[in-house]
Amino acid sequence: DAGITQSPRHKVTETGTPVTLRCHQTENHRYMYWYRQDPGHGLRLIHYSYGVKDTDKGEVSDGYSVSRSKTEDFLLTLESATSSQTSVYFCATRGDFSPYEQYFGPGTRLTVT
Amino acid sequence: AQSVTQLDSQVPVFEEAPVELRCNYSSSVSVYLFWYVQYPNQGLQLLLKYLSGSTLVKGINGFEAEFNKSQTSFHLRKPSVHISDTAEYFCAVRSQGGSEKLVFGKGTKLTVNP
Repeated sequence: DAGITQSPRHKVTETGTPVTLRCHQTENHRYMYWYRQDPGHGLRLIHYSYGVKDTDKGEVSDGYSVSRSKTEDFLLTLESATSSQTSVYFCATRGDFSPYEQYFGPGTRLTVT
Repeated sequence: AQSVTQLDSQVPVFEEAPVELRCNYSSSVSVYLFWYVQYPNQGLQLLLKYLSGSTLVKGINGFEAEFNKSQTSFHLRKPSVHISDTAEYFCAVRSQGGSEKLVFGKGTKLTVNP
C-alpha cells in the first residue's frame, strides 16, 4: 500500500471558519485526489492533482480549493465551512506505473456545527 | 459522462453462503471497471479490476467479477462468504479516454451473519 496519511483524522469546526485538511504520501506518486464520502452518495471527486502546482476540478468542487506545492503533500481547504460540508474526506494517490489503481488514505471525519 | 448503479444498498447473508453484489454502469465510451471494499472506519482497498481481455476477473479474498458488455454490468461474486467479508463494497468506472475521474456507485453494505 502507498504510505498515505491524512491529518487531522477528526475535526469539529464552526460554520464560517476556514479549514485545511492535509494529505501526505511517501510513494512519490504523481497523481493525488480528494474525495468526500456521504451516506447514500458513495465517493465523489472534489479535486485532483496531476503534478506539483497542477490541479483540476472534480464533480463537487464548489466551496473547496486545493494546493500542491510539493509532490508529497496535497491540501484541501474549505474557505468558509458550511454544514453541508460535514463529511468524511478521503485522499487517494496513484503512480505513473499503476495507472489503474488508486490507493486511499484512512480518511478525515469533518463535522461543521 | 459515466454513471454507476449498485442495485442493492444492503445485502445480508449467512456465513458460507454465496453472494452476488450487482453493478450496472452507463457510458458512451469504453470504460475500465473496478470493485473496492471498505472495512469499518478504514479507507478503500481495490478488490479487482477489469481493463480488457477475459471478462471473468479474479481478485483478492476469493472474489471474482464478470464483465458483461451487452448488459453493461460488472457483478461481484463470492461462492462462500466469511464473517470477515462484512464491509461496504463500491463499484467504480473510469473512461478509457485518459480521464482521471473515477465515478463510484453509492455502495452495497454486505453483512455476513453467523
